[in-house]
Amino acid sequence: QSVLTQPPSASGTPGQRVTISCSGSSSNIRSNYVYWYQQFPGTAPKLLIYKNNERPSGVPDRFSGSKSGTSASLAISGLRSEDEADYYCAVWDDSLSGRVFGGGTKLTVL
Amino acid sequence: EVQVVESGGGLVKPGGSLRLSCVTSGFNFGNAWVRWVRQAPGRGLEWVGRIKPKTDGGRTDYAAPMKGRFTISRDDSKNTLYLQMNSLQTEDTAIYYCTTSYVAGVLFDYWGQGTLVTVSS
Repeated sequence: QSVLTQPPSASGTPGQRVTISCSGSSSNIRSNYVYWYQQFPGTAPKLLIYKNNERPSGVPDRFSGSKSGTSASLAISGLRSEDEADYYCAVWDDSLSGRVFGGGTKLTVL
Repeated sequence: EVQVVESGGGLVKPGGSLRLSCVTSGFNFGNAWVRWVRQAPGRGLEWVGRIKPKTDGGRTDYAAPMKGRFTISRDDSKNTLYLQMNSLQTEDTAIYYCTTSYVAGVLFDYWGQGTLVTVSS
């Protein structure tokens, strides 16, 4: 069972806005930066969001991140078929002295 | 061009050992925060551990299931990261990814293609 809780699945239709949540605790999300990764089957993860809401160069502004208290969210606006992938949140946990990942959310574009 | 290439995976019996290597190029490895992340078949991502650059003390940190069994090291002269895995168990079966995170305080997130470790009798 992951320290960070994500819904196992999410879905939306093209053009819609979807959000994926990541719930943690005071020792991780409240205290540290949240990162989000996108992973397609058979490939390595790709960083989408760093330091809660920053986008690396090349990541479309359709992707955005936010954090409040012990929870964080990834929002994808203008959903496209190519956004169908697995999404993971990650954060440092001060109690564990290690990085933790959420269990992952499989996004389906209907 | 940045390259991150893992090797050393394979089939090993329970209780056995394996050493993974991650050869990098295209950036200042000596100033890089680097880590290992694994993914069991059909499962999510799991942080294995990290090593800081020598300029930040060179400290290593490990996830609880790996402490005492896994050792992360680096050879900056070879731009290479290592993962020594001992007392391997079937639940260690996974793709192991080598990743960078920051170089000299600047975001530098790159992942290798991963190397598959299978622990089975």
